[in-house]
Amino acid sequence: GAVVSQHPSRVICKSGTSVKIECRSLDFQATTMFWYRQFPKKSLMLMATSNEGSKATYEQGVEKDKFLINHASLTLSTLTVTSAHPEDSSFYICSARVGLAGSYEQYFGPGTRLTVT
Amino acid sequence: GDSVTQMEGPVTLSEEAFLTINCTYTATGYPSLFWYVQYPGEGLQLLLKATKADDKGSNKGFEATYRKETTSFHLEKGSVQVSDSAVYFCALKSYTGRRALTFGSGTRLQVQP
Repeated sequence: GAVVSQHPSRVICKSGTSVKIECRSLDFQATTMFWYRQFPKKSLMLMATSNEGSKATYEQGVEKDKFLINHASLTLSTLTVTSAHPEDSSFYICSARVGLAGSYEQYFGPGTRLTVT
Repeated sequence: GDSVTQMEGPVTLSEEAFLTINCTYTATGYPSLFWYVQYPGEGLQLLLKATKADDKGSNKGFEATYRKETTSFHLEKGSVQVSDSAVYFCALKSYTGRRALTFGSGTRLQVQP
């Protein structure tokens, strides 16, 4: 199946700094990518939908100025956590959508563990 | 809104035991239903899916049947292996509103030799 990579897999940063997480589709092009956040023992929560060449669509309650999403190419979307705080510590997972309308598949990256100290 | 409820884990079984992981959902309309599996250190992988009532999805010995009357999509396998140890997520995709997946909280399965 299609492969999606994320970098870094783990990152530790100090409170107040910004962190960028990359999501790449390795062997296919994706006009749409999704960013999820997973809390311990909780389900994946959709944060935003990233569309190549246009602004991301954020879910209710997600601060777009804090979680900056850029989808500059058909194979790369980035999530930047700005002015990170300890409560931003979480597991961030991206997925890329491929296929035709009505029969889309989503392929997931392995996730990035962010720890803010 | 849409929601998915899974049984809490971890589920610990001996090899060759029968597996059931319960999943129920709430959604408007007629969603598609999915089971994803996440092996340690890897991303979520689609395990099986069903797109309409009474459909049965199956893959790698796992099965799940879309039950509209009970709004359920329970995952079953007749004989688990150690290699099945992973976290299993039930999910739905509704065709009204947003088109992204809505996930359950995941169930960790541990299979002991």
